[in-house]
Amino acid sequence: AQSVTQPDIHITVSEGASLELRCNYSYGATPYLFWYVQSPGQGLQLLLKYFSGDTLVQGIKGFEAEFKRSQSSFNLRKPSVHWSDAAEYFCAVDDYKLSFGAGTTVTVRA
Amino acid sequence: EPEVTQTPSHQVTQMGQEVILRCVPISNHLYFYWYRQILGQKVEFLVSFYNNEISEKSEIFDDQFSVERPDGSNFTLKIRSTKLEDSAMYFCASKLSDAGGSPLHFGNGTRLTVT
Repeated sequence: AQSVTQPDIHITVSEGASLELRCNYSYGATPYLFWYVQSPGQGLQLLLKYFSGDTLVQGIKGFEAEFKRSQSSFNLRKPSVHWSDAAEYFCAVDDYKLSFGAGTTVTVRA
Repeated sequence: EPEVTQTPSHQVTQMGQEVILRCVPISNHLYFYWYRQILGQKVEFLVSFYNNEISEKSEIFDDQFSVERPDGSNFTLKIRSTKLEDSAMYFCASKLSDAGGSPLHFGNGTRLTVT
């Protein structure tokens, strides 16, 4: 079965610092990959997706992700974090249904 | 931008009671889903629904669960006899197409508490 792994359960970052969240996938073919964000008390909002073409994809809120087939990774990055980026972030792979990773909680300190 | 809406936002029920969680997917979407997230755990797939029938269901989705699209707009999840372990956040989602990479749009969820 297709799956994604998010190795980091919790990351703390200072406001203005860069952020990178790791995601590794297990999939036989070219995967359809997504990053979602869940702010406290909110639903899941799509940040960005990858399914072909340019391996660096841009998303909303200043996020980007890079697909690396050789490393089976789809890491999410943001150059400068804002306090409002504190949330839980989920990587997901689409196999006719989304399968989510366990999530990474991001805390932003002032 | 159109949204998936879920009601209620929070439901408290007693063990053994039936509960119905309601969702209004985005109006032109054709594929509908329920996911759940037990506190502190990952988001888990429950069921997908298309053309008025279940497309796929997980092992979580046992005989206590059912889904229905009673009219052209609502999509409901029923739990017949709730258990303590059903306490979770339940997310409804929809998408326009079954094409690979077509993104799922999620509602804000219903937090179900079974006491």
